[in-house]
Amino acid sequence: NAGVTQTPKFQVLKTGQSMTLQCAQDMNHEYMSWYRQDPGMGLRLIHYSVGAGITDQGEVPNGYNVSRSTTEDFPLRLLSAAPSQTSVYFCASSRLSEQFFGPGTRLTVL
Amino acid sequence: SQELEQSPQSLIVQEGKNLTINCTSSKTLYGLYWYKQKYGEGLIFLMMLQKGGEEKSHEKITAKLDEKKQQSSLHITASQPSHAGIYLCGADERTGNQFYFGTGTSLTVIP
Repeated sequence: NAGVTQTPKFQVLKTGQSMTLQCAQDMNHEYMSWYRQDPGMGLRLIHYSVGAGITDQGEVPNGYNVSRSTTEDFPLRLLSAAPSQTSVYFCASSRLSEQFFGPGTRLTVL
Repeated sequence: SQELEQSPQSLIVQEGKNLTINCTSSKTLYGLYWYKQKYGEGLIFLMMLQKGGEEKSHEKITAKLDEKKQQSSLHITASQPSHAGIYLCGADERTGNQFYFGTGTSLTVIP
């Protein structure tokens, strides 16, 4: 099993550009989530999904969209990137309690 | 929302020393998780505690959840350079849908 995979690993955007961060898992987990990690603030939940077709907002959802058309994939979309979205983004999946994390995407918005 | 405060924020210890990291919650914990993050990498699950008074160990790492279920501690015995990284506590809400993390404790172990 590959576990949780994220692409790209690094990305630089200009303010106003859009992009999609990809996340996929091959463990058949129903629950998937996106976090951002910023210095001194720990990880904060952006959006989560409890199954295909079901998504909900987390702690810091503004500026991000998600969809869950399949169990495996949970992409995170930035519609109009802002410098405040410079961060490291982690995707995670879980079935019961233990969350499995991807390696992260380091995003810089200039 | 749940708030988790970790202390200390950073820790530098000599190899072989014991250390403790604390995680305090603003609300009753229904599930408390400990993760380790190596610098520049994703998070690795260490252990989960659910019952008040529960204690779990994995190799030289022991985690406890207090009886009132609002505080947890992570204790490392005889620290090694391989223990270096960022330790994060996490908790889920009663519904289990939203998950919160503490701000993290950065551990450096000097050989």
